[in-house]
Amino acid sequence: KAGVTQTPRYLIKTRGQQVTLSCSPISGHRSVSWYQQTPGQGLQFLFEYFSETQRNKGNFPGRFSGRQFSNSRSEMNVSTLELGDSALYLCASSSQGASYEQYFGPGTRLTVT
Amino acid sequence: DAKTTQPPSMDCAEGRAANLPCNHSTISGNEYVYWYRQIHSQGPQYIIHGLKNNETNEMASLIITEDRKSSTLILPHATLRDTAVYYCIVRHTTNTGNQFYFGTGTSLTVIP
Repeated sequence: KAGVTQTPRYLIKTRGQQVTLSCSPISGHRSVSWYQQTPGQGLQFLFEYFSETQRNKGNFPGRFSGRQFSNSRSEMNVSTLELGDSALYLCASSSQGASYEQYFGPGTRLTVT
Repeated sequence: DAKTTQPPSMDCAEGRAANLPCNHSTISGNEYVYWYRQIHSQGPQYIIHGLKNNETNEMASLIITEDRKSSTLILPHATLRDTAVYYCIVRHTTNTGNQFYFGTGTSLTVIP
């Protein structure tokens, strides 16, 4: 079974621009979560999607948004980029059930200049 | 929301058992404890999880205290490739979904 894939792996953007990151979950997984990882704040939860609906959202400004498609693929968008948005963005997928193991992708390294 | 506390760093001699503690004193009765590790800013890798009973798989063992306020991840024979940051996480479940709260983790260094 193929793992979680994220594209692109690296990205450089300028302040004020917007960016869209993509995540393809493991086949059969319907839940996708996004995380931001920075040296100062560690791993922080952004949001979780299930069956095209956002179920949970972390404490991030409205510039951070996401969506999920009918094939469970997910995208996240960051508008009006700031220097502080430079981070590793991680996507994780999981099947449903009580154990709810999350499997992470390799991440997208975003650098804002 | 249940949060976790871990020592920031630990060393372990190669071939010895690595015992990584975690405190989750505010955990609720139906919240699972998960362990992940992260190597060189790659995506975190799932290790093991449990609810009440001790668990073992091919990678590690998880010991959860009877009151569930703490747990220990055991890597039975640590190798150099086990050098990583280890996260103890409690899954917070709401009516609408789930959140994983990652703490700061324990940086484990396996020494030759």
